[in-house]
Amino acid sequence: GQQLNQSPQSMFIQEGEDVSMNCTSSSIFNTWLWYKQDPGEGPVLLIALYKAGELTSNGRLTAQFGITRKDSFLNISASIPSDVGIYFCAGRPSNTGKLIFGQGTTLQVKP
Amino acid sequence: DAGVTQSPTHLIKTRGQHVTLRCSPISGHKSVSWYQQVLGQGPQFIFQYYEKEERGRGNFPDRFSARQFPNYSSELNVNALLLGDSALYLCASSFRSGTPEAFFGQGTRLTVV
Repeated sequence: GQQLNQSPQSMFIQEGEDVSMNCTSSSIFNTWLWYKQDPGEGPVLLIALYKAGELTSNGRLTAQFGITRKDSFLNISASIPSDVGIYFCAGRPSNTGKLIFGQGTTLQVKP
Repeated sequence: DAGVTQSPTHLIKTRGQHVTLRCSPISGHKSVSWYQQVLGQGPQFIFQYYEKEERGRGNFPDRFSARQFPNYSSELNVNALLLGDSALYLCASSFRSGTPEAFFGQGTRLTVV
């Protein structure tokens, strides 16, 4: 099935470091969403972006909706051990109810 | 307030059997979507239902079917199970069909042996 290109696949960082991950697509999306998934759990919505160029923050998380509407990035500042998990980007094409997900970025934080 | 609830949380089935998974959306939400997440991958869209009508279908065989009830809860049915159907099945709830945000349940882990 169709998926977004999400990178990097995995990251191993020191506590306190900043993290950046991004998603690109060949298709235009009307909405970009970023989720975090812990083992054995469903994805939890972190940030939603609704228009091109939008920059939105949620605590230490900041995400942007690319101007071309084909990409988005997520930054996490001053990482802490509880940031560990898998981060997914998801795009919603126009006039559809479905979400298209990236392959995920696995984040590990060393205390 | 209760979030999206799914049942059962885990189950094991044999090849060729049938399975029914259940989902209750967030109170007030009228749209339910189903996703399949294979280990190591992102979720893949299966169905969306809104006001008891199918509003979208992903690239899955006809062995997969779903329905939504008047109380907006939903069932996902899979017939003639294959080993490859082993996955985490996620239900997502949205206020309306076109609402951008989707909130996920904890999923049902299906293992086919």
